[in-house]
Amino acid sequence: QKEVEQNSGPLSVPEGAIASLNCTYSDRGSQSFFWYRQYSGKSPELIMSIYSNGDKEDGRFTAQLNKASQYVSLLIRDSQPSDSATYLCALISSGSARQLTFGSGTQLTVLP
Amino acid sequence: SAVISQKPSRDICQRGTSLTIQCQVDSQVTMMFWYRQQPGQSLTLIATANQGSEATYESGFVIDKFPISRPNLTFSTLTVSNMSPEDSSIYLCSVGTGTFEAFFGQGTRLTVV
Repeated sequence: QKEVEQNSGPLSVPEGAIASLNCTYSDRGSQSFFWYRQYSGKSPELIMSIYSNGDKEDGRFTAQLNKASQYVSLLIRDSQPSDSATYLCALISSGSARQLTFGSGTQLTVLP
Repeated sequence: SAVISQKPSRDICQRGTSLTIQCQVDSQVTMMFWYRQQPGQSLTLIATANQGSEATYESGFVIDKFPISRPNLTFSTLTVSNMSPEDSSIYLCSVGTGTFEAFFGQGTRLTVV
């Protein structure tokens, strides 16, 4: 079982819709979770971090964490074509020296 | 967040040669990491660059192939040695912060021919 699993997509949503990206993880002791956005040919850019159960909102982005069910999700409201990118879920596993473990990424396309 | 400068941004190298990638941070950071992203794939950690001591390598990566230096808290290098076409990837430097967040340099796109 992979440590971090994401639906590879691609996921297509119309402009203005809500995009929902999901991630599950196997290490129950993981404490720190992140969502990165990566445009084609660019390096990953941190867009959200979440450490506690519940929701965390930042502008059009909402991260949701459920440690009991071992999943973390990212909602993008009012999706824009500029949101089209690959979204990477990452976490810091228990016992690691703060290295990130990444999921395989979900490619999102927002259709105008 | 820290400003991370990585160079070269890209290179095309002959097989059997070596390339050294540099990562410079504008502030002192404790944690520095090197990742590899193969075409169409996610990021895989190569090693943690430790200041003043040998790097800590992940399974599947060895010092002879990927020697790393970390002479101070703002700078690190990764060398890809004796390159083959399978080493063609994007190599990324990352720094960790006090809030556990990590930020990436611009990456080095390496093509081995």
